[in-house]
Amino acid sequence: DSGVTQTPKHLITATGQRVTLRCSPRSGDLSVYWYQQSLDQGLQFLIQYYNGEERAKGNILERFSAQQFPDLHSELNLSSLELGDSALYFCASSSSPVNTGELFFGEGSRLTVL
Amino acid sequence: EDQVTQSPEALRLQEGESSSLNCSYTVSGLRGLFWYRQDPGKGPEFLFTLYSAGEEKEKERLKATLTKKESFLHITAPKPEDSATYLCAVQAADTGNQFYFGTGTSLTVIP
Repeated sequence: DSGVTQTPKHLITATGQRVTLRCSPRSGDLSVYWYQQSLDQGLQFLIQYYNGEERAKGNILERFSAQQFPDLHSELNLSSLELGDSALYFCASSSSPVNTGELFFGEGSRLTVL
Repeated sequence: EDQVTQSPEALRLQEGESSSLNCSYTVSGLRGLFWYRQDPGKGPEFLFTLYSAGEEKEKERLKATLTKKESFLHITAPKPEDSATYLCAVQAADTGNQFYFGTGTSLTVIP
């Protein structure tokens, strides 16, 4: 158990809809990362927050947004969903503001867009 | 152009049959290379960090090595519980210091 909690584990929705994925980092970790894992592309970095502030941005679509709240949990919002957004979405946490390599991943949220 | 390429995509070994997984990278200014293990339905689990060519790290039956162009994950006398997907990631100056993951090698160890 990594200590990172993600909800929901599974989510099925329709194209055009909006969903919110939630992540609680390990106790004491201030950095939260979001990754998307699809079958053909592997793990793609989306965005990082550190102590409530956006720290780094990767290949995150404009339809996607995220935030980190004062209690350090984070939410990833996906809107105007398309079939291609179907994937596993992972949250990871670490104690450092800089990505030092050792990230602790949750078990992921599997999103299916029909 | 892929920055991280892992090979083979899949590998089946008999229990006790040692082998190596490869991770080649094309980034500039490597800051670190990382190996993770991912079991089905789970998130990746950190294994090793390598920072410079010539560096080696070991953990149980796994040993990771690094050269200027690639890393190897050597698996000695594997057991069925070593079956998993092994992911390699690089962090470099020209990747904005973020991780870029390869697509992984799926390892199956047959009893």
